[in-house]
Amino acid sequence: EVQLQQSGAELGKPGTSVKLSCKVSGYNIRNTYMHWVNQRPGKGLEWIGRIDPANGNTIYAEKFKSKATLTADTSSNTAYMQLSQLKSDDTAIYFCAREGMAFDYWGQGVMVTVSS
Amino acid sequence: DIQMTQSPASLSASLGETVTIECLASEDIYSNLAWYQQKPGKSPQLLIYYANSLNDGVPSRFSGSGSGTQYSLKINSLQSEDVSIYFCQQNYDSPPTFGSGTKLEIK
Repeated sequence: EVQLQQSGAELGKPGTSVKLSCKVSGYNIRNTYMHWVNQRPGKGLEWIGRIDPANGNTIYAEKFKSKATLTADTSSNTAYMQLSQLKSDDTAIYFCAREGMAFDYWGQGVMVTVSS
Repeated sequence: DIQMTQSPASLSASLGETVTIECLASEDIYSNLAWYQQKPGKSPQLLIYYANSLNDGVPSRFSGSGSGTQYSLKINSLQSEDVSIYFCQQNYDSPPTFGSGTKLEIK
């Protein structure tokens, strides 16, 4: 059974960084792209970027190019997203999502709250 | 970026009714359109991919149609468990973009 298990909620101060993880099971993470999507409170879904875990190649949405850094560790079947220079409008739920037939499996999401 | 215009923003219908949600792309996306269901407090779940293909385990009362720039999701025989927000997404071109969502409630 394919599962994407994300790390727990984060509370970060403005100007700091957080690193989120997404550990997959039931398939080899190398086999397909991993995407990251956010959802601000009460809002819609916004694509952040994706990584090819097989070679580390990444593509980012323009507005996240200096905000998010995607990495993957194939030995532990885990994808990561680091968010830097946190601001209040980075407060959101962040999801990892596997690319299969569209985004066919999603993590449960992790709430990142930015507050001093 | 391809813009996805989804309508209506909210919808209220009775149990057993049929409802339709529409999505309009700003350019031809050649059926590379997915629909997701997001229940309160949960992550989105894939319902439909490639405009009209039902994902495994999704009830057959859900169906998708459309081509070019216009797509729709139809839910037949509305059930209480269908209360959710529904999103469309184009995955024809990067970046993949989502519609703004349709909140479905039961009357």
